Amino acid sequence: EPEVTQTPSHQVTQMGQEVILRCVPISNHLYFYWYRQILGQKVEFLVSFYNNEISEKSEIFDDQFSVERPDGSNFTLKIRSTKLEDSAMYFCASRLGLAGGPDRNTQYFGPGTRLTVL
Amino acid sequence: KQEVTQIPAALSVPEGENLVLNCSFTDSAIYNLQWFRQDPGKGLTSLLLIQSSQREQTSGRLNASLDKSSGRSTLYIAASQPGDSATYLCAVEYGNKLVFGAGTILRVKS
Repeated sequence: EPEVTQTPSHQVTQMGQEVILRCVPISNHLYFYWYRQILGQKVEFLVSFYNNEISEKSEIFDDQFSVERPDGSNFTLKIRSTKLEDSAMYFCASRLGLAGGPDRNTQYFGPGTRLTVL
Repeated sequence: KQEVTQIPAALSVPEGENLVLNCSFTDSAIYNLQWFRQDPGKGLTSLLLIQSSQREQTSGRLNASLDKSSGRSTLYIAASQPGDSATYLCAVEYGNKLVFGAGTILRVKS
């Protein structure tokens, strides 16, 4: 069964460093998302992406964050200068979208990347 | 503000019991509502999606209902098993994003 994959599974970085989290969405999906979950807290929406542009972003997704779909398969989240409070599990998700059957609206999540900022 | 609340926060039941998890949301202008399962330290597994025009959705031992006007959804789990132990998350879709509840931690004792 197709699934969303994410790399790395765990990333440790120093405060102020840039990190890039990578995701491979399900191959025929059209909508892509990033969410994060700080330990012990709710899953929070960061950004949605469709047709090569951001369709919605949250207040968390400030100028330090960016997303990119550099080719036909990868979807990346970049944090330019990490802060301690960026430590969280980051989830990528994808959705089939308009051109699908009853399952088209289901968001499928990857296993996550645990980011630790020291 | 769009908020999602889940009760109870935790639930412990003996194996075989039927149980109900509750989800409420403040903004009824939803697109869809999705229930997920999350195992410790793992990703989110989609269980069921109910479209805003639907009242109910079933998958195996799971049944989810939606009452958009009252801002409520329930997840019914029949004949619970120890393997059902996990955190269950309710997520409401508004536009291009999911808004999550804090989850219900379920423990099914054998």
